[in-house]
Amino acid sequence: GDSVTQMEGPVTLSEEAFLTINCTYTATGYPSLFWYVQYPGEGLQLLLKATKADDKGSNKGFEATYRKETTSFHLEKGSVQVSDSAVYFCALRRMDSSYKLIFGSGTRLLVRP
Amino acid sequence: KAGVTQTPRYLIKTRGQQVTLSCSPISGHRSVSWYQQTPGQGLQFLFEYFSETQRNKGNFPGRFSGRQFSNSRSEMNVSTLELGDSALYLCASSLDPTGATEAFFGQGTRLTVV
Repeated sequence: GDSVTQMEGPVTLSEEAFLTINCTYTATGYPSLFWYVQYPGEGLQLLLKATKADDKGSNKGFEATYRKETTSFHLEKGSVQVSDSAVYFCALRRMDSSYKLIFGSGTRLLVRP
Repeated sequence: KAGVTQTPRYLIKTRGQQVTLSCSPISGHRSVSWYQQTPGQGLQFLFEYFSETQRNKGNFPGRFSGRQFSNSRSEMNVSTLELGDSALYLCASSLDPTGATEAFFGQGTRLTVV
């Protein structure tokens, strides 16, 4: 079945460091891919999305490129801030009748000043 | 534009009781989905509604049910609560249920079963 695999956390970085959170997926067809962020005590916020191969989603300095050949959607940011500390979820959503989101296990990011 | 509103934010129930959670989607959104989030199982899909019809259901027992009203508001119900039902229940709304459409989440209802 469809699945999303994320790197284990926590990821601990110093402010202004480069961030990569790996995400790979298994799915039939051509799913849409998403990154969501969850701050403590909150729901999920959509960070960015990509709907087809080679699409690059970007928002708030975060980027991720839909790589069909490697079935990956890695999240990157050039310079993290303390306020980026949160849990990040990679997710896919198929384009057929199964519209549910399938999430990875989440990666906790801790940014130290 | 108001976001997705879930009520209540927090609930404490006793084993064996039942509970009803409510979700008001973003105005104009007709698709509502529910997810359960626990530390052990992560985020798991419960069900999805579009235009008052359940379109998909996850692998949860029949104690978990839901419905959607004509104004797109949705409720989920859990009967005969078990300790393992303690979780954050998240509702998401979408304009429509197509794969490329973003899903916007509410802040969730944290249910504690004692």
